[in-house]
Amino acid sequence: DGGITQSPKYLFRKEGQNVTLSCEQNLNHDAMYWYRQDPGQGLRLIYYSQIVNDFQKGDIAEGYSVSREKKESFPLTVTSAQKNPTAFYLCASKVGGREQFFGPGTRLTVL
Amino acid sequence: AQKITQTQPGMFVQEKEAVTLDCTYDTSDQSYGLFWYKQPSSGEMIFLIYQGSYDEQNATEGRYSLNFQKARKSANLVISASQLGDSAMYFCAMSGYNTGNQFYFGTGTSLTVIP
Repeated sequence: DGGITQSPKYLFRKEGQNVTLSCEQNLNHDAMYWYRQDPGQGLRLIYYSQIVNDFQKGDIAEGYSVSREKKESFPLTVTSAQKNPTAFYLCASKVGGREQFFGPGTRLTVL
Repeated sequence: AQKITQTQPGMFVQEKEAVTLDCTYDTSDQSYGLFWYKQPSSGEMIFLIYQGSYDEQNATEGRYSLNFQKARKSANLVISASQLGDSAMYFCAMSGYNTGNQFYFGTGTSLTVIP
């Protein structure tokens, strides 16, 4: 089955630690995206990548980093510089000018 | 700049009735796409319907239709014959030709279907 997988589903982090959220797709999509969603709010773009080895900052990139070494994978690292990282993180991919397909999300909680 | 506005934080509808969720947008692009997504309590984002800016006909997908009024820059979602499973958050989104495949999302509308 084609789709997007995100792991883990739930993640707990101590203050000052970096954590990496995984996003893998087998849809052969060129573009991949990371969003952050806070309670009662819409999605805000963190980073996106249109091709391998290239990515651009979104509206809220500070405190986050990404890599795109393979077409299938677009991991997101939440660094200690992100002051309020507790949120729901969604990864998406798309091809062409149509809709984005989303993964199931990772819920990150800072202890 | 691209902007999506959803002015209804919460909506209620009786089961089997139709409901309209409002969405207005602002863009300087001539070519753009409009999308609606459903987000149940599980958190997954489910694509519902797409409307291209040059499409002359309103998009329809089963019980979902998009009331596209280009001059008013509105793209309202109409759900017919509401079901209990339609209770969820609904997000309107836009992607413009000149914005490098970026999507812009509204703040969402929470729909509750009443038995």
